[in-house]
Amino acid sequence: QKEVEQNSGPLSVPEGAIASLNCTYSDRGSQSFFWYRQYSGKSPELIMFIYSNGDKEDGRFTAQLNKASQYVSLLIRDSQPSDSATYLCAVMGNPLYDKVIFGPGTSLSVIP
Amino acid sequence: ETGVTQTPRHLVMGMTNKKSLKCEQHLGHNAMYWYKQSAKKPLELMFVYNFKEQTENNSVPSRFSPECPNSSHLFLHLHTLQPEDSALYLCASSQVVGGRASYEQYFGPGTRLTVT
Repeated sequence: QKEVEQNSGPLSVPEGAIASLNCTYSDRGSQSFFWYRQYSGKSPELIMFIYSNGDKEDGRFTAQLNKASQYVSLLIRDSQPSDSATYLCAVMGNPLYDKVIFGPGTSLSVIP
Repeated sequence: ETGVTQTPRHLVMGMTNKKSLKCEQHLGHNAMYWYKQSAKKPLELMFVYNFKEQTENNSVPSRFSPECPNSSHLFLHLHTLQPEDSALYLCASSQVVGGRASYEQYFGPGTRLTVT
């Protein structure tokens, strides 16, 4: 059973700090990795995707991928109260099956 | 309308009712998905349609019946549901590239379903 794991949280950080969200996955053949943000009562919104080892930056967000360790993270710099949401890690398994597997999500709370 | 829309946004139905959820995408995509999101559980993929053909049925009970008449519309027909089927049902779409669905999926707002 292919799995994606995340700490459920809640993760609390003060406004302006760096929030670090972590995700591990079991399928070593995974090739594509995504971070979605989901506000309470809303649908998931894609915020980052990464395919290659290393870092990918987009504004205040940085995704980090380490395939050898089967680990992907999301850093949010200068955290704002509006970043308070649940962050879902998603992993594309074997591309032949076109299936994205979602983790349970980490709840982030940014304290003003 | 932009993005992915879903109707109704909220639905309460009895176990003997028949209802349908509708999804429409305005992104020019040609792959569509149904997901179920229950409290404190990961998103569960239910069905995948690529080019209107169902390519994935993730062991979903037959009381859920999908229909994809064209690449822009997706339905989920519901009948004789159980209370444990109460959840948020999300539709998503993506673009097929090279014969396989691309990886970035865009979600609709969801239908909050309550089965009484």
